[in-house]
Amino acid sequence: AQTVTQSQPEMSVQEAETVTLSCTYDTSESNYYLFWYKQPPSRQMILVIRQEAYKQQNATENRFSVNFQKAAKSFSLKISDSQLGDTAMYFCASRGWDSNYQLIWGAGTKLIIKP
Amino acid sequence: EAGVVQSPRYKIIEKKQPVAFWCNPISGHNTLYWYLQNLGQGPELLIRYENEEAVDDSQLPKDRFSAERLKGVDSTLKIQPAELGDSAVYLCASSLTATDGELFFGEGSRLTVL
Repeated sequence: AQTVTQSQPEMSVQEAETVTLSCTYDTSESNYYLFWYKQPPSRQMILVIRQEAYKQQNATENRFSVNFQKAAKSFSLKISDSQLGDTAMYFCASRGWDSNYQLIWGAGTKLIIKP
Repeated sequence: EAGVVQSPRYKIIEKKQPVAFWCNPISGHNTLYWYLQNLGQGPELLIRYENEEAVDDSQLPKDRFSAERLKGVDSTLKIQPAELGDSAVYLCASSLTATDGELFFGEGSRLTVL
């Protein structure tokens, strides 16, 4: 069975600092996607960034980038120049091709950006 | 373009009462998901539709929960009767296809059962 583990329940940093959120996963599938979703307080969840497992290059989206270590099954999210609007719950998720495309979610990390 | 629309946003009911949640996905999205999210936890899939067919409902407590997606567009999730443990946020999401990795979520329906 696939699992996704986020070991940091809560983190806080000062505005403009860089923060890294950790995620490890376990899958037996050879082909899969990894995602980071953001859920701001009382607002809908949105996709931040995604990574196809077959791609070696780490995905980047503006201030958001990932460090994908396939052998270690690690998928961390780095947020550069953090902003107050980055305050949210961040969920790591995986999705395999052989598991009926089911998304497996981590428990989330609450990120607080302090002014 | 309108996003995923859910209603009601908030619902408070007494235990044993019925409740229904409605979801309208993004136009053209064939795949629709209902998730349950408890406070401080990740979403848990209840049911996934491909058009009007429920293709994954293995986590849906069928003794009290039911769902439908008539005509393959909007969907309703019903709980009857509600129990105290059903208090949670019910999220609806849609994606273009099942293979599309990006899900678009609604704002959720927060249920409180007293």
